Amino acid sequence: DAGVTQTPRHEVAEKGQTIILKCEPVSGHNDLFWYRQTKIQGLELLSYFRSKSLMEDGGAFKDRFKAEMLNSSFSTLKIQPTEPKDSAVYLCASRTGGGQDTQYFGPGTRLLVL
Amino acid sequence: QEKVQQSPESLIVPEGAMVSLNCSFSDSASQSIWWYQQHPGKGPKALISIFSNGNKKEGRLTVYLNRASLHVSLHIKDSQPSDSAVYLCAVSMIPSSFSKLVFGQGTSLSVVP
Repeated sequence: DAGVTQTPRHEVAEKGQTIILKCEPVSGHNDLFWYRQTKIQGLELLSYFRSKSLMEDGGAFKDRFKAEMLNSSFSTLKIQPTEPKDSAVYLCASRTGGGQDTQYFGPGTRLLVL
Repeated sequence: QEKVQQSPESLIVPEGAMVSLNCSFSDSASQSIWWYQQHPGKGPKALISIFSNGNKKEGRLTVYLNRASLHVSLHIKDSQPSDSAVYLCAVSMIPSSFSKLVFGQGTSLSVVP
């Protein structure tokens, strides 16, 4: 079985641009998570979907961050407009759906905003 | 808001040493505690989880959970250079199927040949 796939692996954007990150979860998984990872803040939850329904939108990240689950096998994270402080690694994870199930992470997208 | 603190921040050990990593959490109602391993340029990978007080052993890994002191530790026996990575402690927040994980800042481990 394929793991979680994320594209692109690297992205460079100018301040003010719109960027879209993509994620394909493990086939059959019902839960999907988007995280941001920085050295200072560590891993922060951006969004959480269960069976395509948005369960949590990460509070502080509502403003310019929008995650969508277009179907059970594809999700996007849009950042609009980008700011230099958005430079980070964006990770997507999925799990079967049980609360104690393992979350499987993708390799991440490294975003640099100039 | 659950808080997860890890120590030490970084650790360098010789190959073959026993490694001990610590994690403290703030909510005694937290459910499972997970340890993830993250190599540079990769996403975190789940290593081991524990739910009940006590210890759990899997291969070279042993995890100890003490809910009374809100503390969990991970021990790696006979460490190898391939164990060099960042280790993340994560706490499952609520006792339902809608649980999510709160992560600590991580411990960077270097195992020197």
